[in-house]
Amino acid sequence: GAVVSQHPSRVICKSGTSVKIECRSLDFQATTMFWYRQFPKQSLMLMATSNEGSKATYEQGVEKDKFLINHASLTLSTLTVTSAHPEDSSFYICSASVGSGLAKTQYFGPGTRLLVL
Amino acid sequence: DAKTTQPPSMDCAEGRAANLPCNHSTISGNEYVYWYRQIHSQGPQYIIHGLKNNETNEMASLIITEDRKSSTLILPHATLRDTAVYYCIVRDRSNDYKLSFGAGTTVTVRA
Repeated sequence: GAVVSQHPSRVICKSGTSVKIECRSLDFQATTMFWYRQFPKQSLMLMATSNEGSKATYEQGVEKDKFLINHASLTLSTLTVTSAHPEDSSFYICSASVGSGLAKTQYFGPGTRLLVL
Repeated sequence: DAKTTQPPSMDCAEGRAANLPCNHSTISGNEYVYWYRQIHSQGPQYIIHGLKNNETNEMASLIITEDRKSSTLILPHATLRDTAVYYCIVRDRSNDYKLSFGAGTTVTVRA
């Protein structure tokens, strides 16, 4: 159980275009999903917390107008990188929480590798 | 900010137990210790978590010291597929219980 999928697994786009990444919880409902970014040889950095039915909460330094997050259902959150530039090239990973209280566990998707030319 | 300290790397022999240490001396009473691993170019994989008692599942065992200031993840019979970066994370109330990833321990299992 607790499977999270992402689509696409990799995407190449031209500078200035927008890219949408989907994150789905396949066998459970998730009121909260998270989006992370990972640059080469670095650890994961949390970008934002996606809450079903409400606005996402962004971490300090993450531009909310550039990284649009929509969590329209209990099994789907989307991250749209708007007007992508080469510096946005990275590995984007989502996760979803299962459980309640202090023992909530996050399960991660396989990641989406974005290359902006 | 990460509240844990892990060695940057360690090597293990295939078939042997791998013991991965983690220090979390500032852990509070109701904060859980989580372990994840990330195999190259994949999303992190949940391994195990615990509060104060030792825990075991099909992947690993988690030993938490009585004072909860440190823990050890044990992979009982390491295989080459266990080569990964292992992250020890304390879900921290000061950070709204989010997961904060540090540098982790790069574990290389050798034949």
